[in-house]
Amino acid sequence: QKEVEQDPGPLSVPEGAIVSLNCTYSNSAFQYFMWYRQYSRKGPELLMYTYSSGNKEDGRFTAQVDKSSKYISLFIRDSQPSDSATYLCAMTLGGYNKLIFGAGTRLAVHP
Amino acid sequence: GAVVSQHPSWVICKSGTSVKIECRSLDFQATTMFWYRQFPKQSLMLMATSNEGSKATYEQGVEKDKFLINHASLTLSTLTVTSAHPEDSSFYICSAHDRVPLGNYGYTFGSGTRLTVV
Repeated sequence: QKEVEQDPGPLSVPEGAIVSLNCTYSNSAFQYFMWYRQYSRKGPELLMYTYSSGNKEDGRFTAQVDKSSKYISLFIRDSQPSDSATYLCAMTLGGYNKLIFGAGTRLAVHP
Repeated sequence: GAVVSQHPSWVICKSGTSVKIECRSLDFQATTMFWYRQFPKQSLMLMATSNEGSKATYEQGVEKDKFLINHASLTLSTLTVTSAHPEDSSFYICSAHDRVPLGNYGYTFGSGTRLTVV
């Protein structure tokens, strides 16, 4: 069993739709949870990060962490074609520990 | 914000030659840097963790003698792919970690290097 599970998709939605992306994990010691966006042939860029459980909102993006269920989510409202990318969840124990990534979900938003 | 510069962005080399990839933290000091490898349509696979002034820690299955990592200063880490072969062709990405966690918890990624070995 992988430490972090993420459905690779692909996920195709019409412009304006609400997108829900999620990951599950097995290590209850993870403390920091992140979502990265990666365009083709580019390095990942951080979208959201959350410490422990709770919600965080930034513009059209909302990240949720439910540590009791070991489940994290990223919601994208009013999705745009420019949101078409691969979305990677990542988590870490904290300190200077390495990030553990999910497989990444490929999202395509069509006009 | 924190910026990590990675060069070159792409490189083509002949089989058997060595290739060096540089990763620089431009506006912060990176005590820890991470090197990843990514195959098409796959996630990032951590290759090694390097700490300034000490030997890199390699993940299981990664050949230390083939992927040489040097982190000689707080702003520069290099990955050298020695005696490259076509199966080493991949997308290599570095990530740098600041001493003091930033708003993004300090994990900033470079733009990646696409290596093609012919």
